[in-house]
Amino acid sequence: AQKVTQAQTEISVVEKEDVTLDCVYETRDTTYYLFWYKQPPSGELVFLIRRNSFDEQNEISGRYSWNFQKSTSSFNFTITASQVVDSAVYFCALSEAWRSNSGYALNFGKGTSLLVTP
Amino acid sequence: ETGVTQTPRHLVMGMTNKKSLKCEQHLGHNAMYWYKQSAKKPLELMFVYNFKEQTENNSVPSRFSPECPNSSHLFLHLHTLQPEDSALYLCASSLDTQNTEAFFGQGTRLTVV
Repeated sequence: AQKVTQAQTEISVVEKEDVTLDCVYETRDTTYYLFWYKQPPSGELVFLIRRNSFDEQNEISGRYSWNFQKSTSSFNFTITASQVVDSAVYFCALSEAWRSNSGYALNFGKGTSLLVTP
Repeated sequence: ETGVTQTPRHLVMGMTNKKSLKCEQHLGHNAMYWYKQSAKKPLELMFVYNFKEQTENNSVPSRFSPECPNSSHLFLHLHTLQPEDSALYLCASSLDTQNTEAFFGQGTRLTVV
C-alpha cells in the first residue's frame, strides 16, 4: 500500500505564480518524519526539509513554505512567486521505523513534476 | 559539487554482462543506501548499510549484489540483468539510520539491452 500519495503528477505554472504541491501520508507510527526533496534534471535529489511528527509548526524558508496538518495527514509544500529554476520533480517522503526496528527508511511518493514557464 | 559521487553516470550493458556501480561520499556519514528509480514508480529502497554492515535488503533479486568495504564507499555489482532493471540507480548517505536527512548522488542511468 502506498504510504505517501502525491496526487498531482504534473503542474505547470507561469513564473511569479504561487504553487502548492500536495502530499498525503499514511502511518500507524506515532513517531515519524516527513521530508521534501527536489530532483532537478541533473538527477540528484536535493534535501529541502525534514519535519518530525511532534512539530506541527509551519515553516517558511525564503519562497518555500510547508504546511503540516496531522489531522489530515498532509504535508503540503508551497512555492511563492515561482521561478523557472524551480522546475523540477518534487518528492515527499515519510520515514518510519523499519519492520526490524533497526532504523528508519524513506518511503517516497511518486513525485510531482513542476514546470515553471517564463 | 555534491558530497555523494556516483560513477558511471550512464551505463549500457547486455544481459550477460557483469558491471559495477560505484558510490563515494565525502560527508563523514555512517549509513549508505541504494535506491532504484524507475519511470512512473516511486523510488524504491534496495539496500541499507550502517557502519559497513548491511541492515536491510528490501527483497532485491540476487542479480544485484551490494558491497560496502568502508563507510565512504558503496558498490552495486550487477550480473545477468533483465531489461526491466533499466532505471536510475541512486546512492545516498546519511549520518546514521535514525531519521537524519539523506544526501543523494546524481545517479547512474542504467540501460539493459
